[in-house]
Amino acid sequence: GESVGLHLPTLSVQEGDNSIINCAYSNSASDYFIWYKQESGKGPQFIIDIRSNMDKRQGQRVTVLLNKTVKHLSLQIAATQPGDSAVYFCADRPTFGNTGKLIFGQGTTLQVKP
Amino acid sequence: ETGVTQTPRHLVMGMTNKKSLKCEQHLGHNAMYWYKQSAKKPLELMFVYNFKEQTENNSVPSRFSPECPNSSHLFLHLHTLQPEDSALYLCASSSGTGSYEQYFGPGTRLTVT
Repeated sequence: GESVGLHLPTLSVQEGDNSIINCAYSNSASDYFIWYKQESGKGPQFIIDIRSNMDKRQGQRVTVLLNKTVKHLSLQIAATQPGDSAVYFCADRPTFGNTGKLIFGQGTTLQVKP
Repeated sequence: ETGVTQTPRHLVMGMTNKKSLKCEQHLGHNAMYWYKQSAKKPLELMFVYNFKEQTENNSVPSRFSPECPNSSHLFLHLHTLQPEDSALYLCASSSGTGSYEQYFGPGTRLTVT
């Protein structure tokens, strides 16, 4: 069936280092891929998206890479800060109709060490 | 109030109780969503409403009953729940179901005893 999965449940990085969070997806027909961040006690918050016809998109300190050949998505955070500590979810949007349905992965917990 | 608000933030209920979760969005959006978030599992979409009409029911048991009286408010009525229904219930909204940028509330932490 359809699924979105992450490679590592937990990632620990030193403050100031770069972080890379990976995600694998199974649905070749998804048109958008999205990253969300969920801080403790809060709901998920949209970070960045990438359309399926792109392979890279940059935001403020974040970059998302899409490799459709191997169905792999990654989120890179530059100069990781303590405020980046959170659970990060990737999600994809199936193209069959505008139903609002997103398929979420399980999440990677990013821990930033001072 | 700004964004998406949810009440109550925490709820403990017995299996025979009836309770309701409330969600309100102050963003002028037209689509609203209920998700279930359990430990070590991906977010599970439960229901989608667009312009007050239900457009998606993701095979949710009938002990969960959603209600959307207008585009700003969404309820989840709970009845005869099971302990395995204990989870964080998240509400989200978006400008429409064509938008993938969803804005989430803080969630209601539900414990069924």
